[in-house]
Amino acid sequence: QIQLVQSGPELKKPGETVKISCKASGYTFTNYGMNWVKQAPGKGLKWMGWINTYTGEPTYADDFKGRFAFSLETSASTAYLQINNLKNEDTATYFCASGGLYWGQGTTLTVSS
Amino acid sequence: DIQMTQSPASLSASVGETVTITCRASGNIHNYLAWYQQKQGKSPQLLVYNAKTLADGVPSRFSGSGSGTQYSLKINSLQPEDFGSYYCQHFWSTPPTFGAGTKLELK
Repeated sequence: QIQLVQSGPELKKPGETVKISCKASGYTFTNYGMNWVKQAPGKGLKWMGWINTYTGEPTYADDFKGRFAFSLETSASTAYLQINNLKNEDTATYFCASGGLYWGQGTTLTVSS
Repeated sequence: DIQMTQSPASLSASVGETVTITCRASGNIHNYLAWYQQKQGKSPQLLVYNAKTLADGVPSRFSGSGSGTQYSLKINSLQPEDFGSYYCQHFWSTPPTFGAGTKLELK
């Protein structure tokens, strides 16, 4: 069956870097783009952008341009979200989602000094 | 960017009741709208896509309707497992923004 499995929770300090993974299985990875969605504690869902898994071209929402980077390891059917120069406000759960139907379980990131 | 205005923000209802959640888009989204349910601590689950098509396995008590800029999700005869948060999301243009969410609580 189709699954997206994300990496485990992260605890980081401000200024550090984190890389979250999302491993897909059960379908042809390059057939569907991968979206990334942020959910801050107690808040709603915010679309961060997506990466074309066929071409590798990323698209970022305006609020996520600069410190955020999407990448792929196509041979491993895995997508990555990297956040550089972490800030307290990056504390959130991050979801990967393929086609709206399939979502990862979420990765909780806590940024605290 | 198209903004999605979702209402109500919260809703208190009893098992067996019927509730309706609405989303208004700031521009015509041509039925490119999805509805999700999210339980506490879980990932969102797709309920409806293309405004009115139920995702596989979604009970028929859920229904989506609307067109243009106005869309609704109706839940007939609420069941205990229906309580949680609901979000709309348009897919007409980039960015595909979400509504702010509706928290459906047990009365």
